[in-house]
Amino acid sequence: GENVEQHPSTLSVQEGDSAVIKCTYSDSASNYFPWYKQELGKGPQLIIDIRSNVGEKKDQRIAVTLNKTAKHFSLHITETQPEDSAVYFCAASRDSARQLTFGSGTQLTVLP
Amino acid sequence: ETGVTQTPRHLVMGMTNKKSLKCEQHLGHNAMYWYKQSAKKPLELMFVYNFKEQTENNSVPSRFSPECPNSSHLFLHLHTLQPEDSALYLCASKPPGSPLHFGNGTRLTVT
Repeated sequence: GENVEQHPSTLSVQEGDSAVIKCTYSDSASNYFPWYKQELGKGPQLIIDIRSNVGEKKDQRIAVTLNKTAKHFSLHITETQPEDSAVYFCAASRDSARQLTFGSGTQLTVLP
Repeated sequence: ETGVTQTPRHLVMGMTNKKSLKCEQHLGHNAMYWYKQSAKKPLELMFVYNFKEQTENNSVPSRFSPECPNSSHLFLHLHTLQPEDSALYLCASKPPGSPLHFGNGTRLTVT
């Protein structure tokens, strides 16, 4: 089955700096890669996703890149703000209808 | 508000108790899920229901018993749990071809 590794497990950045979280996956047939943000006391919320037919996708300060050859994908947050502090999860599946395999999460702390 | 409501938000139970977790969504989604979230671990899929029918049971111990009476409601019945079952239990729903919508979870503590 699919295995998703996520790094780092914790990340602290100064407000205004960029943050990068990386994930690798094992199943070369995976083609759907969402990222979820989980704030304290809440469930995970989808923030961005990418499919394997594109290499990069942006939404304001958030971007995701995908390298299918190397089987890794990354989340980039620019101009970080304190409200970006949360746990971020990557996931992978063969398509959006299939079950997701999640990474173990990254606790991002943005220091004011 | 995510559209997926879970109750209770917190639950403390002894190992001999029986309790139930409830999940409700009125988003019109046909698929509903139970996930277990333990600290510093990936989310673990427990059960999947499509149109009220269980389509996946991820080798979950029988002390967890799901029930899906209709496509808007999902329950997780708990009995004779162990302390290692303490975790955040997340419900999610999903329309075809679209991402999961999670509830805010029930924080379960087994004493």
